[in-house]
Amino acid sequence: EAGVVQSPRYKIIEKKQPVAFWCNPISGHNTLYWYLQNLGQGPELLIRYENEEAVDDSQLPKDRFSAERLKGVDSTLKIQPAELGDSAVYLCASSSATGITNTGELFFGEGSRLTVL
Amino acid sequence: QKEVEQNSGPLSVPEGAIASLNCTYSDRVSQSFFWYRQYSGKSPELIMSIYSNGDKEDGRFTAQLNKASQYVSLLIRDSQPSDSATYLCAARYSSASKIIFGSGTRLSIRP
Repeated sequence: EAGVVQSPRYKIIEKKQPVAFWCNPISGHNTLYWYLQNLGQGPELLIRYENEEAVDDSQLPKDRFSAERLKGVDSTLKIQPAELGDSAVYLCASSSATGITNTGELFFGEGSRLTVL
Repeated sequence: QKEVEQNSGPLSVPEGAIASLNCTYSDRVSQSFFWYRQYSGKSPELIMSIYSNGDKEDGRFTAQLNKASQYVSLLIRDSQPSDSATYLCAARYSSASKIIFGSGTRLSIRP
């Protein structure tokens, strides 16, 4: 069974440029998460989807970040324009359950490492 | 107070000894807790989950939950160099499927 697939693995852009990350979760997983991880820190939740609905986007900086999960499967995370402080690893994770049935077992993709110059 | 707090380390333990990792949590998270291991440059992977007060053992790993004191710990027996990694404590937030992480403790097992 394929795991969570993310692309690109690495991206280097200049500040003020746009960037987009793509995530394909494990088949059948209806909860999808986007996390941001800075060096030496734990993952910080940006947005959480249950199927196609964004049920928690309170930590998403909406002035420059946007996300979508069309048809409740693949998801994209976009930053426009990127700032120097956005340099981090963007992790996508999926889970097979929602709400209180969620066991907490998240399956992570390999991440997309963003460097903003 | 952060919902989940960990000592960032690094924690250095000799090979074969017991490594003890600790995590405290706030009232805003539920009683479901998880330990993830993250090797350098890799993604986190779940190694233990615990939902009830007390101990839960899985091979060389034991998770301990103390609800009264609001802490959860992970013990690694017979530590191996391959256990060198960052260990992330995570918790499910209230009644939702929101999973939040601590900042991680870096563990180094010295031969």
